[in-house]
Amino acid sequence: EAGVVQSPRYKIIEKKQPVAFWCNPISGHNTLYWYLQNLGQGPELLIRYENEEAVDDSQLPKDRFSAERLKGVDSTLKIQPAELGDSAVYLCASSLDVNHEQYFGPGTRLTVT
Amino acid sequence: QKEVEQDPGPLSVPEGAIVSLNCTYSNSAFQYFMWYRQYSRKGPELLMYTYSSGNKEDGRFTAQVDKSSKYISLFIRDSQPSDSATYLCAMKDGGATNKLIFGTGTLLAVQP
Repeated sequence: EAGVVQSPRYKIIEKKQPVAFWCNPISGHNTLYWYLQNLGQGPELLIRYENEEAVDDSQLPKDRFSAERLKGVDSTLKIQPAELGDSAVYLCASSLDVNHEQYFGPGTRLTVT
Repeated sequence: QKEVEQDPGPLSVPEGAIVSLNCTYSNSAFQYFMWYRQYSRKGPELLMYTYSSGNKEDGRFTAQVDKSSKYISLFIRDSQPSDSATYLCAMKDGGATNKLIFGTGTLLAVQP
């Protein structure tokens, strides 16, 4: 069974530029999560989707971050404009539903220069 | 104060040693406790998943939860160089959000 797929794996951009990350969850998983992981820290939840609905986006900085999950499968996370402090690993995870274990993708490592 | 505290290490042990990794937490509502292993430049991988207090064993790994002390542990027996990774504890309260709260992770190095 294929795991959570993320792309790109690495991205280097200059500050003030836009950037987008893509996630394909495990087939059949209705719940999708985006996490932020800073160096030396554990992941922190940014947003959670139940199918195509964002049900918990309280930690998403909405002035510059946006996310979507069209058709309730793939998801994209966008930052516009990027700031130096956005340099981190962005992890996508999925679960069968809200009560089941979360499985993580490999992450996208963002460097903002 | 963070909800979940975890010693970041690094922890270096010789091959074959017993490793003990620990987390403390402050939220008494947490009921589900997990340990994830994260290799360098990879995503976290679920190792152990336990509910409430007690022990759970899976091969060389044993997870312990003491809710009265708000303390969880992961033991690795006969540690191998391939166990070298960052170990993250995570927990949740079992409410509608399924929101995981992670520790900072402990970096483990098993020396051959």
